Amino acid sequence: QSALTQPASVSGSPGQSITISCTGTSSDVGVYNYVSWYQKHPGRAPKLIIYEVSNRPSGASNRFSGSKSGNTASLTISGLQAEDEADYFCNSYTDTSTRWVFGGGTKVTVL
Amino acid sequence: QVQLQESGPGLVKPSETLSLTCTVSGGPTSRYYWTWIRQSPGKGLEWIGYIYNRVNTYYNPSLKSRLTISVDTSKNQFSLRLTSVTAADTAVYSCARGQVSGAYFDSWGQGILVTVSS
Repeated sequence: QSALTQPASVSGSPGQSITISCTGTSSDVGVYNYVSWYQKHPGRAPKLIIYEVSNRPSGASNRFSGSKSGNTASLTISGLQAEDEADYFCNSYTDTSTRWVFGGGTKVTVL
Repeated sequence: QVQLQESGPGLVKPSETLSLTCTVSGGPTSRYYWTWIRQSPGKGLEWIGYIYNRVNTYYNPSLKSRLTISVDTSKNQFSLRLTSVTAADTAVYSCARGQVSGAYFDSWGQGILVTVSS
């Protein structure tokens, strides 16, 4: 069981936009703008695609965007492409003693 | 571009010590949170702990009594040592570089599966 709640799976057709939610609490997502998102393809290391809620690191596609409202952060992938098929997980700093919490991951399928 | 690679035994006996090393290439081992994270089968990701500035450590309270994270700057490596392991410690262990300023992990290793079994 993960501290942050994500849908297990999301799917979309090429060219569509999809949104993945990441719901936490007032101890993490709700109080800090330290939410990050990662893409993970099988057998490869996770790749940072969004940090501090909505910032994209260099090298991340501009089709990825992030936002936050209350205790829920969201990742939107626009113009869905076959290469976007992967697992995505969120992460937030927390004011509890565990410092960082993670989502359980969302499998994105491109139909 | 910094790269991280975990190494260590894939099988550890119950009650023994799990030791893993993360080798960092392409970047310094200072000024970051050098972090260990794990994912047990069927469970979510769990932050284990980090070392910062060579000597400052912060551990997940649930593991603190069994855990040591250290760094060897001469080898560009940092290590995890978890004592008295049980089957519950079976997991994929990953190392990651954490940014101090923004509390995110900008580089990760691929992860290594460690099974605790006799």
